[in-house]
Amino acid sequence: EIVMTQSPATLSVSPGERVTLSCRASQSVSSILAWYQQKPGQAPRLLIYGASTRATGIPARFSGSGSGTEFTLTISSLQSEDFAVYYCQQYNNWPLTFGGGTKVEIK
Amino acid sequence: EVQLVESGGGLVKPGGSLRLSCAASGFTFSSYTMTWVRQAPGKGLEWVSSISSKSIYIFYADSVKGRFTISRDNAKNSLYVQMNSLRAEDTAVYYCARDYSSSWGNQAFDIWGQGTVVTVSS
Repeated sequence: EIVMTQSPATLSVSPGERVTLSCRASQSVSSILAWYQQKPGQAPRLLIYGASTRATGIPARFSGSGSGTEFTLTISSLQSEDFAVYYCQQYNNWPLTFGGGTKVEIK
Repeated sequence: EVQLVESGGGLVKPGGSLRLSCAASGFTFSSYTMTWVRQAPGKGLEWVSSISSKSIYIFYADSVKGRFTISRDNAKNSLYVQMNSLRAEDTAVYYCARDYSSSWGNQAFDIWGQGTVVTVSS
């Protein structure tokens, strides 16, 4: 099983700041990685697939990069609606696995 | 509107059974791999099971293998999971989710249901 590790667990940020979230895979997943955003009481929302392709309707301030075992989700200028938990997920191998999440909270 | 609606959750005793359903609308259900993902209270996301469009490929997490059975009825645009021998650790919100692409191998999920709550407790 591929273990996905996200860091940090919590990030305290002010609106307007640039945010970088990290996700590491225990073995290579090529570029077969997705990022999700989840707000309290809501289902997750797909942000990025294929490590760097924005899903439909996702604002350009969200970008993904990386390949192999190291991945990054960047939010160029954090908006109030971006405070949430972010998860990475690899779909290169079965079983599919998610990272533990990074909570982005207001500083 | 593309939509997934889960149902069937509830309170069940340890060792009991439950069948969850997911009704799909607004897209060609029979073309997509479908998946169940769960989230225990206050915890992260956990993949449970996936089934390919024609039910040829089926995968389970080790944590549910032998106890859960995923199935689908393309004529009814519905996804199911039969959950047997339930344990306290199966307590979670269960989401059904659709692959972002109808091509096999694209198990990132662009459409999610609202979730149904399963509580396993005596």
